[in-house]
Amino acid sequence: DAGVIQSPRHEVTEMGQEVTLRCKPISGHDYLFWYRQTMMRGLELLIYFNNNVPIDDSGMPEDRFSAKMPNASFSTLKIQPSEPRDSAVYFCASSFVRTGGSRETQYFGPGTRLLVL
Amino acid sequence: SQQGEEDPQALSIQEGENATMNCSYKTSINNLQWYRQNSGRGLVHLILIRSNEREKHSGRLRVTLDTSKKSSSLLITASRAADTASYFCATFPRGSYIPTFGRGTSLIVHP
Repeated sequence: DAGVIQSPRHEVTEMGQEVTLRCKPISGHDYLFWYRQTMMRGLELLIYFNNNVPIDDSGMPEDRFSAKMPNASFSTLKIQPSEPRDSAVYFCASSFVRTGGSRETQYFGPGTRLLVL
Repeated sequence: SQQGEEDPQALSIQEGENATMNCSYKTSINNLQWYRQNSGRGLVHLILIRSNEREKHSGRLRVTLDTSKKSSSLLITASRAADTASYFCATFPRGSYIPTFGRGTSLIVHP
């Protein structure tokens, strides 16, 4: 299995531009999570989906952030307009139920390092 | 606020030594997990310990859980330079599949 795939791996953009981050979860996983990691705030949960439906977006910092999951194999996190304080590493993670395993175990992608100038 | 808080924030040891890091949390949990993050990479699950367990082993890793003190510890024995990474605890409140991560302990193992 290829694991959770994120693209792009690095993104440099100018303030005010739209940024779209992409995630492909592991096939068969029914939960998908978006996190943001910064030195100041650590790892923050932004939003999570269950069976493609957004369940809790209370971690989304402001209306400039939006996330979608049109199908079980694809999700996007969009920032419009972007600001310098959005600079961070954004992670996507997925989880599933496996006999004898744990639903709570999360599988993380490699992250997208975003720099907004 | 962070549910799990790791201690120390940073740890520097020599190869072959043991590394111990701790995690404290505030509310009742269903289970607690430890993850490792190598520089520039995503988090990788290491081990899970449930609230009714007190100790668990996986290779060179030993995790303990004290629910009365709301704390857990991760011990890495006979450390290697490849163990250099940040280590995070993630707590799962009862009935929830949604974790709260601490800020992590940065471990450096000198060869």
